[in-house]
Amino acid sequence: DAGVIQSPRHEVTEMGQEVTLRCKPISGHNSLFWYRQTMMRGLELLIYFNNNVPIDDSGMPEDRFSAKMPNASFSTLKIQPSEPRDSAVYFCASRPDYKPYEQYFGPGTRLTVT
Amino acid sequence: TQLLEQSPQFLSIQEGENLTVYCNSSSVFSSLQWYRQEPGEGPVLLVTVVTGGEVKKLKRLTFQFGDARKDSSLHITAAQPGDTGLYLCAGSGANSKLTFGKGITLSVRP
Repeated sequence: DAGVIQSPRHEVTEMGQEVTLRCKPISGHNSLFWYRQTMMRGLELLIYFNNNVPIDDSGMPEDRFSAKMPNASFSTLKIQPSEPRDSAVYFCASRPDYKPYEQYFGPGTRLTVT
Repeated sequence: TQLLEQSPQFLSIQEGENLTVYCNSSSVFSSLQWYRQEPGEGPVLLVTVVTGGEVKKLKRLTFQFGDARKDSSLHITAAQPGDTGLYLCAGSGANSKLTFGKGITLSVRP
């Protein structure tokens, strides 16, 4: 079975550019999570969806960040405009409702903003 | 805000040694998970503990949830180079959101 799929795996962009990260959750999983990981702050939850509806976006750092989940098999995290401090590894994770304690992570997107 | 403190932050040991690492909080969690993350990959779930005092074993790894459900320990017996990685603990609150610790970087030298 395919796990969580993220693209691209690596993204290098210049400050001010728009960045879009993509995620395909595991089929049948009802919840989807976006995290950001840095050395300084560790793994931080940005936003999570349940049945395609945003439930909690309190971790989204500022208005430059937005996330959408137009259907059960696809989500995007967009940063516009990007800044050097956004450089991090961004993970997507999914979870089925019948296993509320277990999340399955994708391989991550390493974002570098110069 | 629920915080999880993991210790030690870094650990380098010789193959065959035993080790114990910790995950502590002042908050009560409904469950606690341990993940292992290797370079360039996402965290992989190792275990979930739910009941205070619960002990779970996964081959050479032993996980314990504190009686008050505020802390947890991970003990590895006879560590192997394949155990090398970042070990993350994560606590789940009433809304099932996970709060992660910053992790413990373990290096096992052959």
